[in-house]
Amino acid sequence: QVTLKESGPALVKPTQTLTLTCTFSGFSLTSSGMRVSWVRQPPGKALEWLARIDWDGDRFYSTSLKTRLTISKDTSKNQVVLIMTNMDPVDTATYYCARMGGWSMDVWGKGTTVTVSS
Amino acid sequence: QSALTQPASVSGSPGQSITISCTGTSSDVGNYNLVSWYQHHPGKAPKLMISEVTERPSGVSNRFSGSKSGNTASLTISGLQAEDEADYYCCSYAGLSTVVFGGGTKLTVL
Repeated sequence: QVTLKESGPALVKPTQTLTLTCTFSGFSLTSSGMRVSWVRQPPGKALEWLARIDWDGDRFYSTSLKTRLTISKDTSKNQVVLIMTNMDPVDTATYYCARMGGWSMDVWGKGTTVTVSS
Repeated sequence: QSALTQPASVSGSPGQSITISCTGTSSDVGNYNLVSWYQHHPGKAPKLMISEVTERPSGVSNRFSGSKSGNTASLTISGLQAEDEADYYCCSYAGLSTVVFGGGTKLTVL
């Protein structure tokens, strides 16, 4: 059974750096073709793709956010980490990680809510 | 990357069929057969309903089907049930290893 779970701070201050961790089980990110993406959803708004990391270490970012994002993986811990710098209240959202099969996200975590406020 | 265009809301009665459209451009929807659809009940994890335009993952009801014509993809739900009430999002490969989501459609089962 494939599961993913997001974790991180519920509250961050403006200008701070956010670090989110996705801990997964049921698959290995060392297996060819495996990918994990981060997606967020601000309150009342649509889903937005943020970043992806592949089994071979390749990393891809949203064009609009790529200067603020870093995605990495720790295969020994079955974790993917997303770092977002210079947080702003508009970054308040629920952040999801999801396994990607091909170009679709076939299993999602339940999400973690992050509020940016002073 | 501009978000794909979906109607904000659609509705239907139990047993009816509805279709949700997802309009992109020749750089995303129109250029790749890599459109997926997600069902999202608020507070829960999104669920993959359709991948690669028409492929239904194991366990997804055959009442859900996908199609594409030109720059517009569509999700059709037949035999509407109360449990289908949710938000639906389309997503397309947009080149350079990126994907783009639609703005989402709220489905109301009357």
